[in-house]
Amino acid sequence: NAGVMQNPRHLVRRRGQEARLRCSPMKGHSHVYWYRQLPEEGLKFMVYLQKENIIDESGMPKERFSAEFPKEGPSILRIQQVVRGDSAAYFCASSPPSLTRDGEAFFGQGTRLTVV
Amino acid sequence: GNSVTQMEGPVTLSEEAFLTINCTYTATGYPSLFWYVQYPGEGLQLLLKATKADDKGSNKGFEATYRKETTSFHLEKGSVQVSDSAVYFCATLSGGSYIPTFGRGTSLIVHP
Repeated sequence: NAGVMQNPRHLVRRRGQEARLRCSPMKGHSHVYWYRQLPEEGLKFMVYLQKENIIDESGMPKERFSAEFPKEGPSILRIQQVVRGDSAAYFCASSPPSLTRDGEAFFGQGTRLTVV
Repeated sequence: GNSVTQMEGPVTLSEEAFLTINCTYTATGYPSLFWYVQYPGEGLQLLLKATKADDKGSNKGFEATYRKETTSFHLEKGSVQVSDSAVYFCATLSGGSYIPTFGRGTSLIVHP
């Protein structure tokens, strides 16, 4: 959905560098999800945030990964000291304040991270 | 927690063939069920959804019926087109949970 903006679309990092992925949700949406898509593994939930608060980070690796959604500005997924296994497509989705059973998550076009 | 199982792909069909992509789920309570589609190089887009048993979701010629007795939500289309080539994801969302759970995705390739 064009309303959720992710940048960059493609990101190349050398092993050991930091990767910062940005996501601006749709207007009026205050909740953001991050998912990782690995080849042959489908879409894996990482973290669910609202502004200034992490609601659920049960899918986040314990080390090197962090996420934030500040009061002003986009949500950031940060990967420190990247390794080749971090190469994947990272998708952000946003929703209104409450994603009810009738709700729909709106996805961005993703950031494709390549670690060389 | 919830889980979704989809048939493995790729599914390769000729144009105008009939399509079925199987999806079964396990979930607490009475979940909503979704099909999302991902075209090459793009993000996921909602294709259709159903929120209660026996509901049928439909869009762009695709249909899926919420079958509580078999915990299934199979995607069907009577006549596929080359432009339907994409990856299709089945997903579930339970009441009280705010996190959609996705299947692994099924790649569909339609040849002219």
